[in-house]
Amino acid sequence: EEQLLESGGSLVQPGGSLRLSCSTSGFTFRSYAMSWLRQAPVKGLEWVSGVDPTGADTYYADSVKGRFTISRDNSKNTLYLQMDSLTAEDTAVYFCAKMGVDLYWYFDLWGRGTLVTVSS
Amino acid sequence: EIVLTQSPATLSLSPGERATLSCRASQSISKYLGWYQQKPGQPPRLVIYDTSNRATGIPARFSGSGSGTDFTLTISGLEPEDFAHYYCQQRIDWPPYTFGQGTKLEIK
Repeated sequence: EEQLLESGGSLVQPGGSLRLSCSTSGFTFRSYAMSWLRQAPVKGLEWVSGVDPTGADTYYADSVKGRFTISRDNSKNTLYLQMDSLTAEDTAVYFCAKMGVDLYWYFDLWGRGTLVTVSS
Repeated sequence: EIVLTQSPATLSLSPGERATLSCRASQSISKYLGWYQQKPGQPPRLVIYDTSNRATGIPARFSGSGSGTDFTLTISGLEPEDFAHYYCQQRIDWPPYTFGQGTKLEIK
């Protein structure tokens, strides 16, 4: 069974940093593009960042560009999101999602999410 | 950036009825639109991809149609488990991938 499990969310002060992880199983991780998305409380869905299967090509939403870094370790079947210079507007549940063999696809498997709260 | 506008914001129906949810794009996205279902406390689940294709495990009462800028998700014969939020998403013009603001399908 394909599974994604996010971790690393917590309460952090404005200006702080956090690193999220997404452990995967049940599929050939190195063959698929992956993304991070988020959902602020009682809000809709926002795509945050995506990475191709090799990790060479990365993409970001304007709202996080220059502050967030996506990466992957194909030997560990794990996706990461390094989040720096956090603000209250980054408060959300963060989901990792599996895509297709490239980034030209949908988000066909989601983890349950991890909550990031930015507050003093 | 392509803006997706969903209507209605809330749809109140009874089990057994037919639900019609709409998604309009700010410019043509050909057939490259998907629909997601999200229940409280759960992650979204892909329901329809590329306008009209059901994702794995999605029952036949879910169908999608449209092209260009106007799309529809239809649920024929609503079951209790179908009441949820639904979001549309385009994949033709990215980054960023964009979503509609969602339609809440609630029990009347």
